[in-house]
Amino acid sequence: GNSVTQMEGPVTLSEEAFLTINCTYTATGYPSLFWYVQYPGEGLQLLLKATKADDKGSNKGFEATYRKETTSFHLEKGSVQVSDSAVYFCALSGVSSNTGKLIFGQGTTLQVKP
Amino acid sequence: GAGVSQSPRYKVAKRGQDVALRCDPISGHVSLFWYQQALGQGPEFLTYFQNEAQLDKSGLPSDRFFAERPEGSVSTLKIQRTQQEDSAVYLCASRPTAGEQYFGPGTRLTVT
Repeated sequence: GNSVTQMEGPVTLSEEAFLTINCTYTATGYPSLFWYVQYPGEGLQLLLKATKADDKGSNKGFEATYRKETTSFHLEKGSVQVSDSAVYFCALSGVSSNTGKLIFGQGTTLQVKP
Repeated sequence: GAGVSQSPRYKVAKRGQDVALRCDPISGHVSLFWYQQALGQGPEFLTYFQNEAQLDKSGLPSDRFFAERPEGSVSTLKIQRTQQEDSAVYLCASRPTAGEQYFGPGTRLTVT
């Protein structure tokens, strides 16, 4: 079936370190891919997205490239800040139905220490 | 502008009680989604509305779960005869005709 797998957390980094959070997916067809972020006490927010192979989504210094050959959508940031501490969810949509419902990974907690 | 709101934010129910969770989507948003998020997990799809029509309810875990959106705006998720396994955060999201889903803060349901 359609699914998303993320690296387990928590991921603990020092400020200004390089971040990678791995995400791979299994899907029939050609899904759209997303990264959502959940800051403490807040709702889920869309961070970035990519809708076709080789697209790169970017926002707030974060980037992810849709790699069809490796079925991956890894999230990267060159220099993390304490304010980036949050839970990050990889997700896909556009398979199984045309409703746009999202299929999420289990989430990865990022802790950035000063 | 106002985002998606949900109420109550927290709900404690005794096992066997019925609960009703409310979602107020962003005004004018055609699509509305409900998700269930267990502790430490990602959200899982429950059901989808386009205006007042419930077009997909494939994610509802049992017939104790029921959702409605009678006027194509506010939606209510009802859980009858709650069980401990229903304890989770219930998320609502709305979307214009296409594009990004905007999530509410969620309702945390604890069944004791």
